[in-house]
Amino acid sequence: FELTQPPSVSVSPGQTARISCSGDGLPKQFAYWYQVKPGQAPVMVVFKDTERPSGIPDRISGSSLGATVTLTITGVRAEDEADYYCQSAFTNDSYVVFGGGTKLTVL
Amino acid sequence: QVQLVESGGGVVLPGTSLRLSCTASGFSFSDYPMHWVRQAPDKGLEWVAVLSYDGSDEFYADSVKGRFTISRDNSKKTLYLQMNSLKPDDTAVYYCARDPGPPGTLLWLLAFDIWGQGTMVTVSS
Repeated sequence: FELTQPPSVSVSPGQTARISCSGDGLPKQFAYWYQVKPGQAPVMVVFKDTERPSGIPDRISGSSLGATVTLTITGVRAEDEADYYCQSAFTNDSYVVFGGGTKLTVL
Repeated sequence: QVQLVESGGGVVLPGTSLRLSCTASGFSFSDYPMHWVRQAPDKGLEWVAVLSYDGSDEFYADSVKGRFTISRDNSKKTLYLQMNSLKPDDTAVYYCARDPGPPGTLLWLLAFDIWGQGTMVTVSS
């Protein structure tokens, strides 16, 4: 079970960024998204495919269609520049997998 | 506020041991499963291990099985990672993280809703 993300996405401020994550197991298991900035604690930004944890702005959202989940950030700001990782798991087998990460660059 | 703080990282020789600690505050530590996740330099995130809220159940990534041991002291609100037979490939920032599964149950989600800032472990001769 692998998760595939694009290595990089670039957008201008105010535009919409979409980061995809594909994997055969995704239709059966939940996906989660994390924002990782250098020297900081990672932050969960999407929970169970589409839910937003407390404190995450509503311009960040998650969606799911078949074997692909997508993280969408509307009205991108300079502060959104970071690495984003999708993650899923088979809880019965205690198997955890991360995507390779996507570097979001705000031009 | 809800916080996790790791400590114990450093530079060690291959084949030696190191113990990491993670101290929790701002939530009921004893109710939640806890994880260790690592990130090697210029690499992605890699899950390492999980421990149930009461310490009765634990699982490891294949890459560390038999060498690393996860444990906890709920009275001290502290999670540990004992790392033995360290290899250069174990060089990474090690994060502790909370599992958002139902508190006080063995039903973990294998996800990570609260993270620490990490502690760096370098294994080099």
